[in-house]
Amino acid sequence: GAVVSQHPSRVICKSGTSVKIECRSLDFQATTMFWYRQFPKQSLMLMATSNEGSKATYEQGVEKDKFLINHASLTLSTLTVTSAHPEDSSFYICSAILAGANVLTFGAGSRLTVL
Amino acid sequence: GQQLNQSPQSMFIQEGEDVSMNCTSSSIFNTWLWYKQDPGEGPVLLIALYKAGELTSNGRLTAQFGITRKDSFLNISASIPSDVGIYFCAGLFSGSARQLTFGSGTQLTVLP
Repeated sequence: GAVVSQHPSRVICKSGTSVKIECRSLDFQATTMFWYRQFPKQSLMLMATSNEGSKATYEQGVEKDKFLINHASLTLSTLTVTSAHPEDSSFYICSAILAGANVLTFGAGSRLTVL
Repeated sequence: GQQLNQSPQSMFIQEGEDVSMNCTSSSIFNTWLWYKQDPGEGPVLLIALYKAGELTSNGRLTAQFGITRKDSFLNISASIPSDVGIYFCAGLFSGSARQLTFGSGTQLTVLP
């Protein structure tokens, strides 16, 4: 089946630094990937849609300069949290959709802690 | 926007009991998905439903796509400790996964 790999699974950084999270589709090509944010005991909140070869589509209220998304190939999307602050600490999850299917496959998530 | 109400918010059950949770929507969907999320992990797809009235099973799990297209339920029979986790429903109306709406989740605890 479709597998989405996300790395790193956990990252701790100092305030003001930038952190990059990678999302890879391992056995299929994904022209579209999605980035979600999840706070404790809450549901997933869509941040942006990552489109291969073009600009990402951000949801309302998500700062595009804060959360940089790059989808340079059909199997890789990256999310960079720039100048991270403690309020950016969260669980970030990516997902991809298998072409022809209406189902999202999720990565295992990345726990970001900003000190 | 579309709203999904998922209930119950949490459940504590004894091992071996059956479980039922459901989601209702303020508008219709043409796809219903049920995911399970273990602590510190991403959601894993359990069952996908594509047609109103559809009843689908996956082992001890059974889910149905409501006739009105505004609701879905998930049943788990004979619960076991590894069923512990958060269960999310998700609904999709259009063909774009960007439009996927998630329920608030049901936290399931199975007591030995």
